[in-house]
Amino acid sequence: GAVVSQHPSWVICKSGTSVKIECRSLDFQATTMFWYRQFPKQSLMLMATSNEGSKATYEQGVEKDKFLINHASLTLSTLTVTSAHPEDSSFYICSASNRGLRDTQYFGPGTRLTVL
Amino acid sequence: AQTVTQSQPEMSVQEAETVTLSCTYDTSESDYYLFWYKQPPSRQMILVIRQEAYKQQNATENRFSVNFQKAAKSFSLKISDSQLGDAAMYFCAYRSARAQKLVFGQGTRLTINP
Repeated sequence: GAVVSQHPSWVICKSGTSVKIECRSLDFQATTMFWYRQFPKQSLMLMATSNEGSKATYEQGVEKDKFLINHASLTLSTLTVTSAHPEDSSFYICSASNRGLRDTQYFGPGTRLTVL
Repeated sequence: AQTVTQSQPEMSVQEAETVTLSCTYDTSESDYYLFWYKQPPSRQMILVIRQEAYKQQNATENRFSVNFQKAAKSFSLKISDSQLGDAAMYFCAYRSARAQKLVFGQGTRLTINP
């Protein structure tokens, strides 16, 4: 139980284009979803927290107009990287939780984004 | 602000031996949760073990157990009978009972020697 999927697992795009990453909770309703960014050999950096039906809360230093987060249903959240640039290349990971799971975060497998 | 410190960037252990990974944290709160997550080369984050701060009993999950010392703000992970599949990056994480987000440590890379 508590399975989270992400799609795509990797994506390559040209500079200036937008990319959408999907995060789905497969066997539970995720009242809260989180988006992280991870640089090589580093820890996870929280980008934003989203509660279903509400606007996402972004961490300090994260551009909300660049990283658009939508949590429209209890099983789906999307992260759109708008006008991507090479410095946006990274590994993006989502996680999901709900009170029935004692608010424990369960993570997706991650998405590797490369911007050329 | 809460912080989590993992002082061992790398550890190695012989297969079938026991290894302990260290984690300390700083908080002024009394109600919180602590976690160990494992990130193997696939980069999928996997929950290893969870501990509620109000519980005195140390959590265990099969070969994984913790030594939770609340007064010392220490939360170490012991892996018994280490297996090759245990090789991964291990992250210690803290969550306040009043908040949703996790605070992660820097990680410890564990190597298992056959």
